[in-house]
Amino acid sequence: QVQLQESGPGLVKPSETLSLTCTVSGGSISRYYWSWIRQPPGKGLEWIGYIYYSGSTNYNPSLKSRVTMSVDTSKNHFSLRLSSVTAADTAVYYCARVGTHIGMVMYYFDYWGQGTLVTVSS
Amino acid sequence: QSALTQPPSASGSPGQSVTISCTGTSSDVGAYNYVSWYQQHPGKAPKLMIYEVRKRPSGVPDRFSGSKSGNTASLIVSGLQPEDEADYYCSSYPWVFGGGTKLTVL
Repeated sequence: QVQLQESGPGLVKPSETLSLTCTVSGGSISRYYWSWIRQPPGKGLEWIGYIYYSGSTNYNPSLKSRVTMSVDTSKNHFSLRLSSVTAADTAVYYCARVGTHIGMVMYYFDYWGQGTLVTVSS
Repeated sequence: QSALTQPPSASGSPGQSVTISCTGTSSDVGAYNYVSWYQQHPGKAPKLMIYEVRKRPSGVPDRFSGSKSGNTASLIVSGLQPEDEADYYCSSYPWVFGGGTKLTVL
């Protein structure tokens, strides 16, 4: 059974960079796409972007200028960096596996991490 | 990318059926059969319930089903159970979510 676990600081100061890592266990990170999704308190879900195990990426246009994703197949984990954060970036951040079929994105998320709350505040 | 439109709430009594709609456009819901549905209990991560409009992952009860007509997708929950009370989100190509529907089992 694939399991995902987010890790990183729970508090980030305004204008600084949010950094999170998602460690995958119970399966290989290879041959899949992996995504970050966030949920502000009491609100809905927002897709941040995805990364393929090869390193190719696709980001939400509304966040593209501030987002960087990376992957480390040797450690079976992938990471998110979101720069110049403001209070509007306060949210629960989830990592998730993207449905993948023969190297193609299938536009759904079949495994999710438990989520980690990141608060942006001075 | 605009969010998909879902009713904020839905309800039904145990054993009844309830349908939750998800309306998009010809650029997202209507474009491809890439509609998925997620169940989220309070304080928990979303769980995939339906993918590619009507497919169910292993372990999801067959009380949950999906359909699509034009730019509107639907999640149907038959034989409502108390544990079905949760928030439900739809999602579609290209990576847009609905605002969520709170399902209450009366």
